Amino acid sequence: KAGVTQTPRYLIKTRGQQVTLSCSPISGHRSVSWYQQTPGQGLQFLFEYFSETQRNKGNFPGRFSGRQFSNSRSEMNVSTLELGDSALYLCASSLASNQPQHFGDGTRLSIL
Amino acid sequence: SQELEQSPQSLIVQEGKNLTINCTSSKTLYGLYWYKQKYGEGLIFLMMLQKGGEEKSHEKITAKLDEKKQQSSLHITASQPSHAGIYLCGADPSGTYKYIFGTGTRLKVLA
Repeated sequence: KAGVTQTPRYLIKTRGQQVTLSCSPISGHRSVSWYQQTPGQGLQFLFEYFSETQRNKGNFPGRFSGRQFSNSRSEMNVSTLELGDSALYLCASSLASNQPQHFGDGTRLSIL
Repeated sequence: SQELEQSPQSLIVQEGKNLTINCTSSKTLYGLYWYKQKYGEGLIFLMMLQKGGEEKSHEKITAKLDEKKQQSSLHITASQPSHAGIYLCGADPSGTYKYIFGTGTRLKVLA
């Protein structure tokens, strides 16, 4: 069974630009969550989608947004990039609330 | 809001030694996940503990959940270099998919 796939693996952008990251969950998983991981703040929850609806959102500014498609694939977008947005962005999918999340290898975003 | 704190923050052990990593919650734990992460990569699911007193083992790794102490421990027996990485505990306190994670424990195993 294929795992969670995130693309691209690496991305370099400059301040002010915007970026879109993609995540394909494990087949059959309808819940997709996004996280930001930095050395200083650790792993922080961004948002979670289920059946194309955002069910939960973390404490991030509105520049961070996401969506989920009917095939459960998800994208997250960050607009007006700031230096502090440099991080590893992880996507995870889950079958149900009492089941573990399975993570992709992440997208390493660097802002110059 | 609930927080998870892990100890120690980092650990260096000689190959073959046993070690324990702790995850302490600021509120009651109703379930806990353990993950392992290699630098710059995604998290690999290790174990899920759902009930107080539950203990699970996989190969040389054992995890326990003590709800009264609001704590979980991860024990590695006879550590190997392949055990090296960052261990993270995680929980979904409200059952709403808004997961929180611990601060992580960085493990290095010397051959």
